[in-house]
Amino acid sequence: GAVVSQHPSWVICKSGTSVKIECRSLDFQATTMFWYRQFPKQSLMLMATSNEGSKATYEQGVEKDKFLINHASLTLSTLTVTSAHPEDSSFYICSARWVRVEKLFFGSGTQLSVL
Amino acid sequence: SQQGEEDPQALSIQEGENATMNCSYKTSINNLQWYRQNSGRGLVHLILIRSNEREKHSGRLRVTLDTSKKSSSLLITASRAADTASYFCATRRGETSGSRLTFGEGTQLTVNP
Repeated sequence: GAVVSQHPSWVICKSGTSVKIECRSLDFQATTMFWYRQFPKQSLMLMATSNEGSKATYEQGVEKDKFLINHASLTLSTLTVTSAHPEDSSFYICSARWVRVEKLFFGSGTQLSVL
Repeated sequence: SQQGEEDPQALSIQEGENATMNCSYKTSINNLQWYRQNSGRGLVHLILIRSNEREKHSGRLRVTLDTSKKSSSLLITASRAADTASYFCATRRGETSGSRLTFGEGTQLTVNP
């Protein structure tokens, strides 16, 4: 079946540094990719929707200058957390959608810890 | 309240028992999907039911949808310890809302061996 690969699985960084998370669709060309944030024992919070070749659409309250999303190709989207702070520590998950396919394919998530 | 609320929030059962989780939503939907998440991992799609369907089966999974009550249930029969995970319902609204899915709060299922 379709596979979405997300890297890294976990990252620890110092406050003020930037962290890039990659999300690749391995078996199909993703028309749309989504980025979520999840706190422990909570649901997924949609951060932004990313379409190949166009600017990402951010959800209300999500700072686009802090969470940079690049969807340069149909198989790769990246999320860069710029100038990370401890409050950015969270579990980030990407998902991809294939045209005319209703379900989403998820990456395995990235646990970000900012010291 | 958010679109897509599950209950119970947590459910603990013995292996072999059935597990039932419920999901309620507020607006009209195009389809409703159930996903499973193991701890610290991404989500895996389980089953999709469309607004014009009332019941669907997939292996040990049975999903029902009642659009008049805006609710859905997920039944896992003959549960196994490996079914321990969080289960989320997700709703997709009409075409005008694009491909966005809205996830519920989830039910944490623990199946004790």
